Amino acid sequence: GAGVSQSPRYKVAKRGQDVALRCDPISGHVSLFWYQQALGQGPEFLTYFQNEAQLDKSGLPSDRFFAERPEGSVSTLKIQRTQQEDSAVYLCASSPSARPGTGELFFGEGSRLTVL
Amino acid sequence: KQEVTQIPAALSVPEGENLVLNCSFTDSAIYNLQWFRQDPGKGLTSLLLIQSSQREQTSGRLNASLDKSSGRSTLYIAASQPGDSATYLCAVLSNTGKLIFGQGTTLQVKP
Repeated sequence: GAGVSQSPRYKVAKRGQDVALRCDPISGHVSLFWYQQALGQGPEFLTYFQNEAQLDKSGLPSDRFFAERPEGSVSTLKIQRTQQEDSAVYLCASSPSARPGTGELFFGEGSRLTVL
Repeated sequence: KQEVTQIPAALSVPEGENLVLNCSFTDSAIYNLQWFRQDPGKGLTSLLLIQSSQREQTSGRLNASLDKSSGRSTLYIAASQPGDSATYLCAVLSNTGKLIFGQGTTLQVKP
């Protein structure tokens, strides 16, 4: 596709449910990022992949959060035993560059998660 | 720890005004700075990217400046239009490869 695609766009989960959010980056993009954006806030970094390697997961808020990119393309962010504080928009971004600072980030429209 | 602050948090102006959005950051060791636009319920659209060695970038009615030593950037919007209404986010790319965002300035341009 022409841009970064995320699905589902909207997800409502009951507290305690597991959810999986998918990101299809722009074809050929090496770097992939996940960000969490709470209402009225700027996005906050969660994790970063270079191809299939997860190089930085320092932003994941707890061990209930897990991300993978097994073939270096599509990525999935999984949240286990969801809590109300997990409610946010989860943004995925990709970049053609493997080196920080040398390429723009292109963002998807996000997956809005609401935990009841 | 890098912190990014945007002032003001919200701004309302009449159509046609020129306006300036401000962004400050605490650590000058950055690779670049980007300004993004976010419409309600949408993702982020990159507006301008300034490399750390650059002082400014221009695109149409938008001009962004960067003063790395003082930790400041401004986004200047000329002749504002109602279609410019959105949230504008400033983000710096740290040497760890992470984009650190400010909280955004929500702009409303009234016809």
